[in-house]
Amino acid sequence: KAGVTQTPRYLIKTRGQQVTLSCSPISGHRSVSWYQQTPGQGLQFLFEYFSETQRNKGNFPGRFSGRQFSNSRSEMNVSTLELGDSALYLCASSSGDSFLQNTEAFFGQGTRLTVV
Amino acid sequence: GQQLNQSPQSMFIQEGEDVSMNCTSSSIFNTWLWYKQDPGEGPVLLIALYKAGELTSNGRLTAQFGTTRKDSFLNISASIPSDVGIYFCAAAYNTDKLIFGTGTRLQVFP
Repeated sequence: KAGVTQTPRYLIKTRGQQVTLSCSPISGHRSVSWYQQTPGQGLQFLFEYFSETQRNKGNFPGRFSGRQFSNSRSEMNVSTLELGDSALYLCASSSGDSFLQNTEAFFGQGTRLTVV
Repeated sequence: GQQLNQSPQSMFIQEGEDVSMNCTSSSIFNTWLWYKQDPGEGPVLLIALYKAGELTSNGRLTAQFGTTRKDSFLNISASIPSDVGIYFCAAAYNTDKLIFGTGTRLQVFP
């Protein structure tokens, strides 16, 4: 059974550009969450999608957006990139409707975004 | 907002020693998860806990879901060099987002 797949692994962009990252969850998983990880801020929650709907949202500006497709694959987009957006972006997939249902969240390897 | 206070921030131990780390919060949760992250990789799930008071082991790792539902701890027995990494706790309540602790950086010396 394949794990969570994130593409690309590494990305270099310049300030002002926009970027799209992709996440393919574990087969059968319907929830995909996105996190930003930086040395100073740790793992910060961006948003979560479940069955193509955004279910939870973190405290990030509107430049950060996402979507989920009918096959549960998810993309996140960052527009007008800033130097501070340089980070490891992680996605996690989980199977259940909620954490009451003994849900475990599995992470991909992440996309390392560098903004120059 | 909700926060998980994880301690210690870092640990430097000798191979063979036992390790203990914990997470506390002012909020209650019904799920606690413990992850390990190696440099440049995504976090890997170690142990999942779903009931207050639950004690679960995974090899040399043991974790407990606190009875107040506001805390959890992770123990590693007889540490080995490959235990090096950053350990994160994470917690959630129902369909709320999974939030993470700040991490414990573990260094093991031979």
